[in-house]
Amino acid sequence: NAGVTQTPKFRILKIGQSMTLQCTQDMNHNYMYWYRQDPGMGLKLIYYSVGAGITDKGEVPNGYNVSRSTTEDFPLRLELAAPSQTSVYFCASRFPGPRGQPQHFGDGTRLSIL
Amino acid sequence: GESVGLHLPTLSVQEGDNSIINCAYSNSASDYFIWYKQESGKGPQFIIDIRSNMDKRQGQRVTVLLNKTVKHLSLQIAATQPGDSAVYFCAADSGSARQLTFGSGTQLTVLP
Repeated sequence: NAGVTQTPKFRILKIGQSMTLQCTQDMNHNYMYWYRQDPGMGLKLIYYSVGAGITDKGEVPNGYNVSRSTTEDFPLRLELAAPSQTSVYFCASRFPGPRGQPQHFGDGTRLSIL
Repeated sequence: GESVGLHLPTLSVQEGDNSIINCAYSNSASDYFIWYKQESGKGPQFIIDIRSNMDKRQGQRVTVLLNKTVKHLSLQIAATQPGDSAVYFCAADSGSARQLTFGSGTQLTVLP
């Protein structure tokens, strides 16, 4: 199994451009999450999804959008890139249900906005 | 909501010594905690977890201790090796979708 796969690994954007960060998992996990990690900091939750067609905002959703049309894929969209969105973005997934299941992470997308 | 904090941003230990990384959380309703290891350029990697009905859990060379009275948990790494050098995060699991709240991380450096 590949686990959680994120593409691209690196990207440089100009201010105002848009892009989609891709995330796919092959573990049949219903729950999926997007986090951002700024230098020297922990991860902050952007959006999450408990299943296809269901998404909800996390702690820092402004400037981002998500969709969940399949169990496997959970893309993150930046519509108007701003320098404050320079960060490393991580996608994660887990089995549904109560506590006791860790989230599994991809290796991230490093995004710079200039 | 939940907030999670780590006590030391950096920790240096001699190879072969034991390491202890501490973490505090604020929400007494948090009932599941996870320690992750993050190497440079990689995503967080699961190390060990503990549920709130436990005080201690052991894995291979790692032990997690949970003190619910003072809302504190720690990660102990026995016989620390160079490959243990990384950033370590604790995370608290809560919410209807089991969202994680992360601490800011401790950079562990193993000295030869």
